[in-house]
Amino acid sequence: GDSVTQMQGQVTLSEDDFLFINCTYSTTWYPTLFWYVQYPGEGPQLLLKVTTANNKGISRGFEATYDKRTTSFHLQKASVQESDSAVYYCVLNNNNAPRFGAGTKLTVKP
Amino acid sequence: DTTVKQNPRYKLARVGKPVNLICSQTMNHDTMYWYQKKPNQAPKLLLFYYDKILNREADTFEKFQSSRPNNSFCSLYIGSAGLEYSAMYLCASSVGGRSYEQYFGPGTRLTVL
Repeated sequence: GDSVTQMQGQVTLSEDDFLFINCTYSTTWYPTLFWYVQYPGEGPQLLLKVTTANNKGISRGFEATYDKRTTSFHLQKASVQESDSAVYYCVLNNNNAPRFGAGTKLTVKP
Repeated sequence: DTTVKQNPRYKLARVGKPVNLICSQTMNHDTMYWYQKKPNQAPKLLLFYYDKILNREADTFEKFQSSRPNNSFCSLYIGSAGLEYSAMYLCASSVGGRSYEQYFGPGTRLTVL
């Protein structure tokens, strides 16, 4: 079945550091891939998405590239801010049954 | 309004007792989902409704029931709660299809004692 792997459970950075969160997926078709962000006390909300029609998604300074060859969808940001502290989820949707990765808790120190 | 509402926000239940969680949305989305989230684990899809059609995950098929009396409301029902049901339950809605984003509620934290 479909699956998503996020190995980094927690990441701690300082402001203006570069962010890289690893995500790999396994599926039999060409899914739509998403990154969701969750702040304390709230549900996850969409950060960006990428379909097979467009290989890269960009939002709020974050970007992710859909790499079919390596089946990866890593999230990057050049310079993080304290307000980026949150949990980030990589999500795969292949057949209207979205699958979540385990999430990466990002803490950005001022 | 892109709000998904969940009631209650916190629920305390006794082992062996039933639990009913409620979710609502006013975006006229045709698909509504329920996820279970435990600490240090990925949110796990339990079931979803596409219009009036219920799809339940194979490994949780017998543990959870659901109903969708109209387009706006969806419930998650546990017939007999066990300690293993303690978790955060997230409801989401979307337009059907794999390319559309989901809108999530804030979740209901269920504690079974």
